[in-house]
Amino acid sequence: GESVGLHLPTLSVQEGDNSIINCAYSNSASDYFIWYKQESGKGPQFIIDIRSNMDKRQGQRVTVLLNKTVKHLSLQIAATQPGDSAVYFCAGEKLTFGTGTRLTIIP
Amino acid sequence: DVKVTQSSRYLVKRTGEKVFLECVQDMDHENMFWYRQDPGLGLRLIYFSYDVKMKEKGDIPEGYSVSREKKERFSLILESASTNQTSMYLCASSPPQASYNEQFFGPGTRLTVL
Repeated sequence: GESVGLHLPTLSVQEGDNSIINCAYSNSASDYFIWYKQESGKGPQFIIDIRSNMDKRQGQRVTVLLNKTVKHLSLQIAATQPGDSAVYFCAGEKLTFGTGTRLTIIP
Repeated sequence: DVKVTQSSRYLVKRTGEKVFLECVQDMDHENMFWYRQDPGLGLRLIYFSYDVKMKEKGDIPEGYSVSREKKERFSLILESASTNQTSMYLCASSPPQASYNEQFFGPGTRLTVL
């Protein structure tokens, strides 16, 4: 089966700096990944997705990188803001979710 | 905007009670899901449904059942609540694309079983 996990449970970043949240997966045949953001008291919200035929995808202030060789993906958030404080999950196509990284932005 | 609503934000029940958690989505999505979220364990899939009256077991279905009588509504049932079912329950829905499923989540129901 597929397992998806995250490297660090917590991450603190100074406001304005860039942050990188990492995720590893086990199934080399996985074809699709999503990053979700979960703010306190809310359900997870879609941020960005990537298919396995890509190694990079950019959104507004966010970039996801996929390294299929080492089965690793990362979410980069540029110029972090207080509103970026949340728990971030990566998820695979088999409805498996990582445990989440809590990102705290320090003012 | 897609909206997924859950009947309660907070719920307190006693051991042995029958508990119903309701979820409604307004985007005519075929797929609906129930997860529980626990510290250190992330989101774990309990049950999902690809169509009305259809249900599939997820990773942790034991102690739960579901009902999908209407397309917009997916209910999670705890037949006899136990303390280890104290958790945050999240409902989600998604359109029917085969592999690429952005899921839209509700705000969650925090259930405490005493």
